[in-house]
Amino acid sequence: DIVMTQSPDSLTVSLGERATINCKSSQSLLYSYDNKNYLTWYQQKPGQPPKLLIYWASTRESGVPDRFSGSGSGTDFTLTISSLQPEDVAVYYCQQFYASSRTFGQGTRLEIK
Amino acid sequence: QVQLQESGPGLVKPSETLSLTCTVSGGSISSGGYFWSWNRQSAGKGLEWIGRISRSGRTNYNPSVDSRATISLDAPRNQLSLTLSSLTGADTAVYYCTRDRCNGNSCYSSDSWGQGTLVTVSP
Repeated sequence: DIVMTQSPDSLTVSLGERATINCKSSQSLLYSYDNKNYLTWYQQKPGQPPKLLIYWASTRESGVPDRFSGSGSGTDFTLTISSLQPEDVAVYYCQQFYASSRTFGQGTRLEIK
Repeated sequence: QVQLQESGPGLVKPSETLSLTCTVSGGSISSGGYFWSWNRQSAGKGLEWIGRISRSGRTNYNPSVDSRATISLDAPRNQLSLTLSSLTGADTAVYYCTRDRCNGNSCYSSDSWGQGTLVTVSP
């Protein structure tokens, strides 16, 4: 299995400040045939299912605020929230779709300072 | 907008078989461009993908549950189902069904999730 490791496990950021979450995979998620990274980010709030934020490492899902952005390639990826809002308090997960057996990161809990 | 709703028993005994159903509304499970998956989330293991099924019925499973899990589609009822046999306490989790967006056989996101159903394995 591809192992997905997120850092940090938890993060406290002030309102309006930038939040950065990292995700590292144990092997490259870049498919050479289409030059896309099969890395997806989700947001999960208490009592709710995960919500899709970003796919192909950097493509924002329709309706997701543009303060959310994804970057990275190969094995190292980043989710950035440019200006933290109160509604962004949640746990964030990365997931790889590269291998036939998909795996998630352990999650990063984001809180407001 | 597609909606998914899981249903099934909340409590099952060890060694028994779990059967869950996911009812899809607002879209057809036979639509092209999508696969359908089951995932679960437990306090101990976080989020775990269980397996997926295409509209033609082709399945793939996580090796960790491969021999115990079966996913199937019921097109007339617009439902997918999961059976998981030989249950242990490690199978206690919230179970989610999802719709996966795909290009051919290459899926790249789970864009719709059910609310989840809690399954507890206990005598």
